[in-house]
This record gives sequence, C-alpha cells and structure tokens, in this order.
Amino acid sequence: AQTVTQSQPEMSVQEAETVTLSCTYDTSESDYYLFWYKQPPSRQMILVIRQEAYKQQNATENRFSVNFQKAAKSFSLKISDSQLGDAAMYFCAYRRQNSGGSNYKLTFGKGTLLTVNP
Amino acid sequence: EAGVTQFPSHSVIEKGQTVTLRCDPISGHDNLYWYRRVMGKEIKFLLHFVKESKQDESGMPNNRFLAERTGGTYSTLKVQPAELEDSGVYFCASSPRGRPRVETQYFGPGTRLLVL
Repeated sequence: AQTVTQSQPEMSVQEAETVTLSCTYDTSESDYYLFWYKQPPSRQMILVIRQEAYKQQNATENRFSVNFQKAAKSFSLKISDSQLGDAAMYFCAYRRQNSGGSNYKLTFGKGTLLTVNP
Repeated sequence: EAGVTQFPSHSVIEKGQTVTLRCDPISGHDNLYWYRRVMGKEIKFLLHFVKESKQDESGMPNNRFLAERTGGTYSTLKVQPAELEDSGVYFCASSPRGRPRVETQYFGPGTRLLVL
C-alpha cells in the first residue's frame, strides 16, 4: 500500500521569505501523481500544485514550486515570497495512475501547519 | 460555479445516536469521494461513487457507515449508531469523469463531527 509522510507537523516563515515543506512517499508503481493541497483556517481545501511522475520537469505555479526527486521518492513544496494568506495546513497527496480503472482515490500525509509571521 | 457543499458544517451527537452528513458535488461531476480525518491523523479515503454506483468502498470502517448517492447527484453518509472513534472531519470531493490524466478533486469545507 502507498504511504505518504510529512515529517514536519509545523513550520513557520517570515513574510516575504522562502519556506520548503517536505514530503516523502512509498510506492512500487512507476506512474502516479503527486499533489499539494492547502487548507486555510475554516476554509475548504484547494489544490496548490500537481506533478505527474512521468514528467521530469518540476511543476511550478506562480510562487509555488516543487522539487520532485523520483528515485528518492521525495516531493517537497517551496513557497517563495511568503504572504500572510499562505498560512494554512498543507497536505501532500499521492494518487495511482490506474489504467483501465476509474478509482483515483488520494492518499494523504498528516499535514504541515504553516504559520506566516508579519 | 458553485463549489462542493457539505451540510451540516458541525454536528455534536451522543454515542449511539444517528447522524447523516450530506454532500452536494459540483454540478456535472460524476465522481464523488468521501474522506475522513481523525484528529492528528491522515485524511483517509472512505469511498468513491461514479454517478450512483459505488466504485470503491474499501475505506469504509465498518457496517455502521452507509453511503448513498441516489440519482447520481448529492450523496449522504449515515453513521448509525455513532461511536466515540467516529469523531473527526468528514470531507467530500468531486471531479469530472473521463479525464483521468487531468483529474482534480475539488473538496468541500468538511463536516466536523463530535461524538460524546
């Protein structure tokens, strides 16, 4: 079974600085997807960024980028120029690439609570 | 476009009572997922509907949990009778069908269930 590990329960960063959130995963499959979701306080979870395992290039979305190391099974999230609105719980998630099937359930880590200090 | 909505936002019940959670997915989304997060632990998959059919219910903890999706629109998750360990946040997510390589699951705000 796949597992996702986020080793940092909490992180903090100064506004305008850069922070990196760690995520490792365990799988025997070669094709899969990885996601970072963000859940602000009392608000719903939204997708921040996704990475397809067959792509070597790291995904980037504005101030958010990932460092995807497939051999090491590592998928860290870097937030540049941190803003107060980035404060949230961040979840790393894994999804299989089922060929011929239709079950795309996500496997999540425990989450990292990010605090942004003004 | 309205997002995924869930009702109620909070529920406090006593052990042994019954609670029904509701999820309204984004209109037109055939895939509907239920997840649960127990305090301090991972968000865990419960089950997956494709339209009104249960595609995968391998994550359902036991037979006290019953999920339905009549007509392939909204879904309900009933817990009967509720136990203390059922406390947690129940999330619903939906996604459109037919584009697995670009599928994104859109989450609702969750229902916070506390069983006393």
